Amino acid sequence: KAGVTQTPRYLIKTRGQQVTLSCSPISGHRSVSWYQQTPGQGLQFLFEYFSETQRNKGNFPGRFSGRQFSNSRSEMNVSTLELGDSALYLCASRPAGLSEETQYFGPGTRLLVL
Amino acid sequence: AQSVTQLDSQVPVFEEAPVELRCNYSSSVSVYLFWYVQYPNQGLQLLLKYLSGSTLVKGINGFEAEFNKSQTSFHLRKPSVHISDTAEYFCAVTRDDYKLSFGAGTTVTVRA
Repeated sequence: KAGVTQTPRYLIKTRGQQVTLSCSPISGHRSVSWYQQTPGQGLQFLFEYFSETQRNKGNFPGRFSGRQFSNSRSEMNVSTLELGDSALYLCASRPAGLSEETQYFGPGTRLLVL
Repeated sequence: AQSVTQLDSQVPVFEEAPVELRCNYSSSVSVYLFWYVQYPNQGLQLLLKYLSGSTLVKGINGFEAEFNKSQTSFHLRKPSVHISDTAEYFCAVTRDDYKLSFGAGTTVTVRA
């Protein structure tokens, strides 16, 4: 089975722009979560989508949003980028069945905001 | 809410020596525990997990961890490390909300 894929792998944007990141989960996985990783704050949960619905949300401003499509692929959008949004954004997928707590991570998208 | 503390930020170790990475969590309810490894410029790879049952869990690459409920710990061990084990290791906890809370990470540097 192919793993979680994320595109693009690297991205450079300037302040004020907006960006969309994409995540394709492992085949058959219905839950997709997004995490932000920075040197200062570590790994922080952004949100989780299941069956096209946001099921859980972390403590991030409204500039961070996401969505999930019927094929379970997910996108994350950040509007009005700030320098502090520079980070590695990781996507994780989960089967979402009973006792399926394990999340499998993609390689991440490294975003640099100038 | 649960939180995770990784007690060592950096662990230098010689090749073929044992290593232990310490992880403590705080939660008032039962949790699920994980260790992930991150190699440079890569995502997170699952090493092992504790969901229930036996408190000693074995993972990939010779790693194992022991869940201790009374001490709220989930320490990771490997009896003999290789150069290729140089990486950052993250302890994580989740409950039924499926939101992973991570520790700050432990950087393991294996020297020849």
